[in-house]
Amino acid sequence: AQTVTQSQPEMSVQEAETVTLSCTYDTSESNYYLFWYKQPPSRQMILVIRQEAYKQQNATENRFSVNFQKAAKSFSLKISDSQLGDTAMYFCAFMKLKNFGNEKLTFGTGTRLTIIP
Amino acid sequence: EAGVAQSPRYKIIEKRQSVAFWCNPISGHATLYWYQQILGQGPKLLIQFQNNGVVDDSQLPKDRFSAERLKGVDSTLKIQPAKLEDSAVYLCASSLDRGGLNEQFFGPGTRLTVL
Repeated sequence: AQTVTQSQPEMSVQEAETVTLSCTYDTSESNYYLFWYKQPPSRQMILVIRQEAYKQQNATENRFSVNFQKAAKSFSLKISDSQLGDTAMYFCAFMKLKNFGNEKLTFGTGTRLTIIP
Repeated sequence: EAGVAQSPRYKIIEKRQSVAFWCNPISGHATLYWYQQILGQGPKLLIQFQNNGVVDDSQLPKDRFSAERLKGVDSTLKIQPAKLEDSAVYLCASSLDRGGLNEQFFGPGTRLTVL
């Protein structure tokens, strides 16, 4: 079974600053995906960024980037030039890769991020 | 394209009562998931359907929870009888069914409070 650990329950940062959210995971699988989801107060879970484990290059989506360290089983999210709209719960998630069909997501406990004006 | 729809958004019941939640996935999505998110925790899968068949219900408390997906489209999750510890947000998600990665799209969830 897979486990995902987020050791920072809460974080806050000034607007326009950079913040890094940590995530570690444990798995015996060799092929998998990792994700960061954002959950604002509206509760809608929104995909922020994903990383394929077989890719060495770190994923980037505009102001969001990851630092994927496969050997260390670490997957951190960096938010640059933080904005007030980034205030939300952030969840790290793991998905085993299947050739066909879909797998469930295994989530961490989340980090509550607050951007301070 | 319409997203995943869920209803109701909020529900308050007394313990031992029954409750049902409804989910309408994105059109054409063969896979449907129900997740339970207890306050302070990440979502946990309760049940996964592919079309109208169950793929994974290993974490579903089958003595009180049931789910169905008739005709492979809409789905209903039921709790009977409810316990205090069932207070949570119930999230529905759907995805296409094809090779490789299929992104899961989430609905807004139903917040259940059991008194």
